[in-house]
Amino acid sequence: NAGVTQTPKFQVLKTGQSMTLQCAQDMNHNSMYWYRQDPGMGLRLIYYSASEGTTDKGEVPNGYNVSRLNKREFSLRLESAAPSQTSVYFCASSEQQGRYNEQFFGPGTRLTVL
Amino acid sequence: QKEVEQNSGPLSVPEGAIASLNCTYSDRGSQSFFWYRQYSGKSPELIMFIYSNGDKEDGRFTAQLNKASQYVSLLIRDSQPSDSATYLCAVTPTGFQKLVFGTGTRLLVSP
Repeated sequence: NAGVTQTPKFQVLKTGQSMTLQCAQDMNHNSMYWYRQDPGMGLRLIYYSASEGTTDKGEVPNGYNVSRLNKREFSLRLESAAPSQTSVYFCASSEQQGRYNEQFFGPGTRLTVL
Repeated sequence: QKEVEQNSGPLSVPEGAIASLNCTYSDRGSQSFFWYRQYSGKSPELIMFIYSNGDKEDGRFTAQLNKASQYVSLLIRDSQPSDSATYLCAVTPTGFQKLVFGTGTRLLVSP
């Protein structure tokens, strides 16, 4: 039982390049999330998927797109990377949306945009 | 006003002491409260959650919730150097659709 996995662990991009961050969970969770973490800013929600087939914007969605490929997988795409997107990206999952929203995190992707 | 506020620290305590970490939140309708531990360079790890007013104990950890004061705390008894990490408070606000995180409190436990 691997929990939440993310690939890649590290990535360096040049401004304008695109890439997709992959996330998968094996806990049969319905809801999945993408966060970014920057020094002094805490964890900020980019996008989330309450259930398979649905996605919604979070606090900082600009410059990103997501795809909920199936119940297990939720990817985050940067179409044209900018230096402001240099950050650590975490994927998380929870059994469901709602009051008992215990989220479990993947190991993170450290992205640098030059 | 930030939705979830924590003192950034660092909070320094000697080994064996009680560490007290505090968090306040602005949404009075918030229903669920979580504490995550994050070691440097690692991902957040859920250590406690609390939904009702009062105390909840799990081993050396006690979460305390006071909804009237919009205040949640985490007590760590018999602190160990391995407890040195950043502790993130997270709250589910009205509507239940997301977690809102504080910026975290860095705890340093000295031997």
